[in-house]
Amino acid sequence: GAVVSQHPSWVICKSGTSVKIECRSLDFQATTMFWYRQFPKQSLMLMATSNEGSKATYEQGVEKDKFLINHASLTLSTLTVTSAHPEDSSFYICSARGGTTNTDTQYFGPGTRLTVL
Amino acid sequence: QKEVEQNSGPLSVPEGAIASLNCTYSDRGSQSFFWYRQYSGKSPELIMFIYSNGDKEDGRFTAQLNKASQYVSLLIRDSQPSDSATYLCAVIGRGSTLGRLYFGRGTQLTVWP
Repeated sequence: GAVVSQHPSWVICKSGTSVKIECRSLDFQATTMFWYRQFPKQSLMLMATSNEGSKATYEQGVEKDKFLINHASLTLSTLTVTSAHPEDSSFYICSARGGTTNTDTQYFGPGTRLTVL
Repeated sequence: QKEVEQNSGPLSVPEGAIASLNCTYSDRGSQSFFWYRQYSGKSPELIMFIYSNGDKEDGRFTAQLNKASQYVSLLIRDSQPSDSATYLCAVIGRGSTLGRLYFGRGTQLTVWP
């Protein structure tokens, strides 16, 4: 139980295009979903927190107009990187809070590696 | 500011030994504590969580929590080369309704055969 999927697992795009990443909790309803970014050999950085049906809460320094988050249901959240640039190249990881053993636990998706050319 | 501190390592132990990973946190009211493992190039995976003072065992892993000392640790018994990874300590702070995790920077563990 408590499986989180992400799609795509990797994506290469041209500068200026938009990329959408999906995060799904497969076997539980997630009360909250989180989006992280991780650069090589660095720590996880929380970008935003979202609840189903509500606007996402962004961390300081994260541009909400650039990183659009839609939390459509209790099992699906999407992150759209708009007008991507090479500096947006990173490892994007979602997590979903919930599950049956402990509702506080965050389960991470496998991540999406974004490369912007 | 909720701070979570870990020894960055690297920590190197021989196969079969006990690996001890330590973590301290600044928010005395923190309520939930987690250990995640992250292999290079992969996302974090949950090892275990602990809420109450004392020990919690799961297979080769034991988490220890001491709220008075604001200290949480992870012991890995009979360490295997496959345990080589970065171990992340994470804490949910007092009063958090959304369950935001505060992470340490991670401790890199190498288990050599």
